[in-house]
Amino acid sequence: EVQLVESGGGLVQPGGSLRLSCAASGFTFSSYEMNWVRQAPGKGLEWVSYISSSGSTIYYADSVKGRFTISRDNAKNSLYLQMNSLRAEDTAVYYCARSTPRYDSSGYLTGLPDYWGQGTLVTVSS
Amino acid sequence: DIQMTQSPSSLSASVGDRVTITCQASQDISNYLNWYQQKPGKAPKLLIYDASNLETGVPSRFSGSGSGTDFTFTISSLQPEDIATYYCQQYDNLRLTFGGGTKVEIK
Repeated sequence: EVQLVESGGGLVQPGGSLRLSCAASGFTFSSYEMNWVRQAPGKGLEWVSYISSSGSTIYYADSVKGRFTISRDNAKNSLYLQMNSLRAEDTAVYYCARSTPRYDSSGYLTGLPDYWGQGTLVTVSS
Repeated sequence: DIQMTQSPSSLSASVGDRVTITCQASQDISNYLNWYQQKPGKAPKLLIYDASNLETGVPSRFSGSGSGTDFTFTISSLQPEDIATYYCQQYDNLRLTFGGGTKVEIK
């Protein structure tokens, strides 16, 4: 059974830092792409960051670029999000989400997001 | 970034009604579109992938159609347990984007 379990959320002051973790099990973690997606209270879903299976390709939303760093440790089946210079608007539930790479005869097509963790709440407040 | 415009933002329907939600992409995304169901306090659950494929274990009253820029999600006969917020999501671009969500309520 695929499982993604986030941890590391909590209350932090504006300007502070926090490191989120996502522990993966039930699948070959090193073969899958991963994302962080967040949801502010009462709001919709916002993609935060992407990392390829090897970690060689990384993307960020403009709203977090320069402040957040995504990484992974395939030996530990774990995904991370280092969040620095936190702002009140970063308050949200943060989800890790797996993407399954898709291929055809021409090669790589895209990654299909399929499984999500249950999320961890980050509250930025003084 | 690819913008996803979802409508309506909310709807109220009776049990047994047919419910339709639309999602429009700002550019051609082929069929790289997911539909999710999210209940309060829970993670989104994948219902439909590749615009029209039903995820394993999802009831057949849920369906999706479309390609390119225009997509439709349908609940053929609304059930009380379908009360939730539904989101579309494109994955043509790895910078994933979501529609704004549709909150479905029982009339």
